[in-house]
Parts: sequence; C-alpha cells; structure tokens
Amino acid sequence: AQSVSQHNHHVILSEAASLELGCNYSYGGTVNLFWYVQYPGQHLQLLLKYFSGDPLVKGIKGFEAEFIKSKFSFNLRKPSVQWSDTAEYFCAGLNTNAGKSTFGDGTTLTVKP
Amino acid sequence: GAGVSQTPSNKVTEKGKYVELRCDPISGHTALYWYRQSLGQGPEFLIYFQGTGAADDSGLPNDRFFAVRPEGSVSTLKIQRTERGDSAMYLCASSWGEIGDTQYFGPGTRLTVL
Repeated sequence: AQSVSQHNHHVILSEAASLELGCNYSYGGTVNLFWYVQYPGQHLQLLLKYFSGDPLVKGIKGFEAEFIKSKFSFNLRKPSVQWSDTAEYFCAGLNTNAGKSTFGDGTTLTVKP
Repeated sequence: GAGVSQTPSNKVTEKGKYVELRCDPISGHTALYWYRQSLGQGPEFLIYFQGTGAADDSGLPNDRFFAVRPEGSVSTLKIQRTERGDSAMYLCASSWGEIGDTQYFGPGTRLTVL
C-alpha cells in the first residue's frame, strides 16, 4: 500500500534556526515526491518536487529536499528559518502510473520572532 | 490570472440531506482532482478527472459520493444522504494534465453535517 508519513506533528523554532522536517514514503514502483505548504489563511501551494535526476531538489523561498532512495526518505530542509515560514507543511507522493496522490498528515511549523 | 475557485466556501447541512460542491479549475487545465481533509490530517485523494472522464475514482469512500465533469471544465462533487462523518474540508486542485504536473489547489469548501 502507498503511504507517506511525517514524523513531526509540531515543530517550534526560533528565527535563524535550521529546519529539517522528516518524510518517509512506502511505494511500489516509481514515485514522484512533493512538499506543499499552507500559510495561515491561504491555499495549499507547491514548495518543490522530485521526479528523477539530482536527488537534491531546490524549491521556493530557500527550501530544499533530498531524496534518499535507500532510506525511503524525502526530508525538507532550510538553513535559516524566518517568522514568515510559520505554516503547515505536507509531504506527498504520487504513483507515476496513476493520478492518485498520497499526503502525510502534515507538520505545523511555528517560528518565534 | 484566476486560480481554482470553489463554491460554496462553507456548507452546513443536516444529516441525510444531499449536497453539491462545485469546483472551477484554472482555464485550460485538463486534470482535476478532489480531496477531503479532516482536522489534523493531510488531504485524502477522492477522484481524478482527465478531461470529462474519471481516470481514477478509487478514493471515493462509498456509493454516496459521486463526481462529474461533463464538459471537461467545472466539476461537481455530489454527496447523497450525508452523514456526520462526512464533515470535512473538501479541496479541489487542477493541473495541465500530465501525471506529476504541479497541482494548483483551491480554497476548499468546509462541509459541516449536523
């Protein structure tokens, strides 16, 4: 069965701290991986995605994620967070043979100014 | 340009009633997705349209749920005999059409079944 799990439900950081949010997936076959963000009062939007090639993917607003196939992981990182990064972050996987995406339960990030 | 829009933004209904939720995708997007999100959880896939046809409806929880997209643009999610457990945020997303293309999400419809 396809599944995506996010280890941290709520993370609290001070500004300028480094961020790493965990994501593990369980998929048969080829999978595309995504990180989405939902800022307070806004829609879900794409941060970055991995399809193939370079396992280190760079996204918007200084975020990056690394696909590690041997660990079935796709962790999200940012070297120095800002107060404006306060949001909910979702990891998702997509089976390339179908249109069905599977989302993790999300991680709420609170950045203290 | 206009993004994905969903109406109504909020819907309160009584148990046993029928509801329709509407999604207007971004113009030109051939793929359309419906998700359901309960509090504290991530979006849960319901159905995916490619054009007018449902390419994958494996996420619909039971036969009370049905979705249509008759002209390949606007889609309606229909829920019959609503139950309290159907209360959730219903999200719609659209994309250009290739599997893996970026999905653009709408603001959602908050459904409350009393």
